[in-house]
Amino acid sequence: AQKITQTQPGMFVQEKEAVTLDCTYDTSDPSYGLFWYKQPSSGEMIFLIYQGSYDQQNATEGRYSLNFQKARKSANLVISASQLGDSAMYFCAMREGYSGYSTLTFGKGTMLLVSP
Amino acid sequence: NAGVTQTPKFQVLKTGQSMTLQCAQDMNHNSMYWYRQDPGMGLRLIYYSASEGTTDKGEVPNGYNVSRLNKREFSLRLESAAPSQTSVYFCASSPAGQGVGYTFGSGTRLTVV
Repeated sequence: AQKITQTQPGMFVQEKEAVTLDCTYDTSDPSYGLFWYKQPSSGEMIFLIYQGSYDQQNATEGRYSLNFQKARKSANLVISASQLGDSAMYFCAMREGYSGYSTLTFGKGTMLLVSP
Repeated sequence: NAGVTQTPKFQVLKTGQSMTLQCAQDMNHNSMYWYRQDPGMGLRLIYYSASEGTTDKGEVPNGYNVSRLNKREFSLRLESAAPSQTSVYFCASSPAGQGVGYTFGSGTRLTVV
């Protein structure tokens, strides 16, 4: 079974609108971390936001927030007030356990296109 | 600027040729990783090194070898390149600890013909 599932291959949004990118995960480990990365057309991987499994509040970083629903095992990324520069591929990823030896497992990504 | 440096950025190989992808980080991170990215597949882990002196297989290790030369450097070797290894390769590093993401290099686009 896939550990990280991103069901939206592509999303379209108009500038200044909010958009939600879906991510569900599968783990039996009570300790884990969830990450979102952005990959613009230039190819680099940019870290956006992190949510720990024990964090009580949803993580926020500027226009990015993570809608963490633990019981549903979902960690959706919400981008408020979309900008043209938000057009990119977005990856959800998970790191299980609190060992320093755990590795990030990525989903297949969602391509976001922001139109004027 | 501090970060992860990968070389080369682009490479074309003939089937059967060998090459080594180089990666170096200057952030004093303990752990380093090699991923490959293919269209529609996300990033898949090839090998990783949790700390200097150790290496472990990831999800897709076949056809690759790695060397953790020292704390800074982690190289990926293709001994006999195959067209299926055409991909974009990313090196990444991270300090110890759960709540930290990886810092990625800019990637190497490899084509095997």
